[in-house]
Amino acid sequence: DTGVSQNPRHKITKRGQNVTFRCDPISEHNRLYWYRQTLGQGPEFLTYFQNEAQLEKSRLLSDRFSAERPKGSFSTLEIQRTEQGDSAMYLCASSYLRSGAGGAFFGQGTRLTVV
Amino acid sequence: AQTVTQSQPEMSVQEAETVTLSCTYDTSESDYYLFWYKQPPSRQMILVIRQEAYKQQNATENRFSVNFQKAAKSFSLKISDSQLGDAAMYFCAYRRPTMNRDDKIIFGKGTRLHILP
Repeated sequence: DTGVSQNPRHKITKRGQNVTFRCDPISEHNRLYWYRQTLGQGPEFLTYFQNEAQLEKSRLLSDRFSAERPKGSFSTLEIQRTEQGDSAMYLCASSYLRSGAGGAFFGQGTRLTVV
Repeated sequence: AQTVTQSQPEMSVQEAETVTLSCTYDTSESDYYLFWYKQPPSRQMILVIRQEAYKQQNATENRFSVNFQKAAKSFSLKISDSQLGDAAMYFCAYRRPTMNRDDKIIFGKGTRLHILP
């Protein structure tokens, strides 16, 4: 097991284009989280899944954002009609529901630049 | 709603010295978890230490220890014998029990720690 994997690591896109990011969690983890982090700030919660069910979406997540986790394995985060304000690091994390005090384990993130 | 506050945007410490990073949080829950995460420059966020609110004993992981004051809702991180590799952003974080549907992790804004050689 190599931990949480995110692809791509970097993405540069033109304003108005659609982008999709992928996250592969640690295999036995049933909780998967997406966060957004801008420079010098803490991660902001976007959404999370328990298995394939999306349990919560932040009000930060506009209608242009959609996330899926088919079959409770990997997850994708899509941003449609990107805007310059979407430029940020997008972090994925996973955890195991019954791990008690366990924190989530993070991937290396996908850095999005919208030009 | 739960909030996490880190009042020190930046701190510096001499190598081999001890430094304490502050964190306060707000919650109406009695059972929860607290964490300190480390994020080195351009690198992935890693979990440094965790504390369960129902445990009175402060958590310790090698050179890292916490001072958990539940009544004051304070959760500070002490780094002893600071090393150059400790330079990073440190985030304090809060989480409700994992059996709760709303168990997302809430982060503070972070403290950037500089280690002076």
